[in-house]
Amino acid sequence: ETGVTQTPRHLVMGMTNKKSLKCEQHLGHNAMYWYKQSAKKPLELMFVYSLEERVENNSVPSRFSPECPNSSHLFLHLHTLQPEDSALYLCASSQDAGRPYEQYFGPGTRLTVT
Amino acid sequence: GQQVMQIPQYQHVQEGEDFTTYCNSSTTLSNIQWYKQRPGGHPVFLIQLVKSGEVKKQKRLTFQFGEAKKNSSLHITATQTTDVGTYFCAGTAGGTSYGKLTFGQGTILTVHP
Repeated sequence: ETGVTQTPRHLVMGMTNKKSLKCEQHLGHNAMYWYKQSAKKPLELMFVYSLEERVENNSVPSRFSPECPNSSHLFLHLHTLQPEDSALYLCASSQDAGRPYEQYFGPGTRLTVT
Repeated sequence: GQQVMQIPQYQHVQEGEDFTTYCNSSTTLSNIQWYKQRPGGHPVFLIQLVKSGEVKKQKRLTFQFGEAKKNSSLHITATQTTDVGTYFCAGTAGGTSYGKLTFGQGTILTVHP
């Protein structure tokens, strides 16, 4: 158990649906991250939040909308996704975003877009 | 943008053989981290290297950071079936103001008993 939880673990959605992914960290960290992991591709950083402020948007399409209401919770709101968005979405946290501390990953949400 | 290349993509070894994965960055790194992801699991932090030429050991695992801070390697001595998984390197470009990691594509290690 890494102290980072994600729900749901699996999600199947149509291209017209709206859904949200949830991440919670119990480590007292100040930074949280969303990554996308596709088959045969490196982990892609999507968003970085530091103390609830977004500090990085790595050219992510607007159909992905993050929300960080506090330093323990992170959401990824999804709407009008494409089949190529099917992937494992990983949340991570670290002590601080100001320095490259080790990152603790959650178990991920396996997303399938039909 | 920064790219981190990792080779080989796959490695199959017999239990007891050694294993090495290499990581190369297109830019100088301020640090490099290594992660392991078991099949069906999530990445788990192994180690971080910061200094030029740094070498760190964890039991049978040896990590090196190149003198120019643009490459790194992970060597496993006498592999065991528990070493199975994907090994990722991840670097932070020099001058980055926060911990933005760029991951390599990983090396998938299988160990035959």
